Amino acid sequence: AQKVTQAQTEISVVEKEDVTLDCVYETRDTTYYLFWYKQPPSGELVFLIRRNSFDEQNEISGRYSWNFQKSTSSFNFTITASQVVDSAVYFCALSEDVDSSYKLIFGSGTRLLVRP
Amino acid sequence: DTAVSQTPKYLVTQMGNDKSIKCEQNLGHDTMYWYKQDSKKFLKIMFSYNNKELIINETVPNRFSPKSPDKAHLNLHINSLELGDSAVYFCASSQDATSTRTTDTQYFGPGTRLTVL
Repeated sequence: AQKVTQAQTEISVVEKEDVTLDCVYETRDTTYYLFWYKQPPSGELVFLIRRNSFDEQNEISGRYSWNFQKSTSSFNFTITASQVVDSAVYFCALSEDVDSSYKLIFGSGTRLLVRP
Repeated sequence: DTAVSQTPKYLVTQMGNDKSIKCEQNLGHDTMYWYKQDSKKFLKIMFSYNNKELIINETVPNRFSPKSPDKAHLNLHINSLELGDSAVYFCASSQDATSTRTTDTQYFGPGTRLTVL
């Protein structure tokens, strides 16, 4: 069955520290997509990244970087030089094909607290 | 220029009532979704519609009935509300996920916090 595990329930760091959020997934599909979403205290879900299973190149966007390792079924997210505004719950998600559509299977989320 | 909007943002109601949540997207997407986030922050899909046609119905009680009058709108009607229905409900949309068989990004609305007393 499709599954996403975010083992870290909560992480607390001091501003400017680097932090890595772990995501491990299980899937029976040969082609799939992985996503990260951010949910700040205001509650909305903000899309961060989408990665195709065939593209194992790491991605960097400003202070954010993602490490996709198909061999270990992991898609980890690193924030460099964390800031207080990074405080949020971060969700990793996996696409699952359903008939002619797809749905997102979410992990349980990691709450990141960045202290000044 | 809101992409996916939901109304209302907060909904407080009594057990047994019937209520609706509205969702609209102006992204020109063909597929829309409803997700439920419970008190522990778990997010789970409920329904998806593609161009007004129901595609996914994830064993949701039939007290929940989605309605899509056109591809830009997907409303959620809930009958006989129960305490366990208290949650945050998110609407989302994506570009056509059916005919092209691609997995496009789902963009979420701001959520509707439903509290059943």
